[in-house]
Amino acid sequence: LAKTTQPISMDSYEGQEVNITCSHNNIATNDYITWYQQFPSQGPRFIIQGYKTKVTNEVASLFIPADRKSSTLSLPRVSLSDTAVYYCLVGRSMDSNYQLIWGAGTKLIIKP
Amino acid sequence: NAGVTQTPKFQVLKTGQSMTLQCAQDMNHEYMSWYRQDPGMGLRLIHYSVGAGITDQGEVPNGYNVSRSTTEDFPLRLLSAAPSQTSVYFCASYRGGTDTQYFGPGTRLTVL
Repeated sequence: LAKTTQPISMDSYEGQEVNITCSHNNIATNDYITWYQQFPSQGPRFIIQGYKTKVTNEVASLFIPADRKSSTLSLPRVSLSDTAVYYCLVGRSMDSNYQLIWGAGTKLIIKP
Repeated sequence: NAGVTQTPKFQVLKTGQSMTLQCAQDMNHEYMSWYRQDPGMGLRLIHYSVGAGITDQGEVPNGYNVSRSTTEDFPLRLLSAAPSQTSVYFCASYRGGTDTQYFGPGTRLTVL
């Protein structure tokens, strides 16, 4: 199982771009990289998913280098409401062998 | 479309009591999972199901039972509650493969 390593915490200021890097040295060929966001007292919410290169959606971008041993979640122009815990997951689910490991995540604090 | 719903939101049990945490989804997802989240930690998989009538153990299954008689419902039963089971429990559903997981709001359980 691919284990991920993320910074425990980060802080930034409103309007800044925030980059959170995740290390996943044991990523397997079939593994995807997925990021979730979790606010206090809520369940996690999907942000973005990718396999290689770059993926962008309306809330974030995900950069994945060619060796796929790390990935970077980029949040453009953050606001106070982006204060949350961000989880990087690597894995895939097979029909009868569900494999995803959740680390402790990165606690992001946005300051005014 | 309610998504994933969980009841109750809060529960206090005494050691040795049993109870069932309810989870339901209205998205017709085949896959459903139960996680627990301890303070400051990531999610740990308890049990999961890949379809009605099919369940399997996750990372921390001891002390919990599940069943999946319908696509919509996936209850989690605590057999004999212990203080170590004090946690927040999240239910999730998704279509399968690398699809996005949709989480419920969670049940905060305290065992005295």
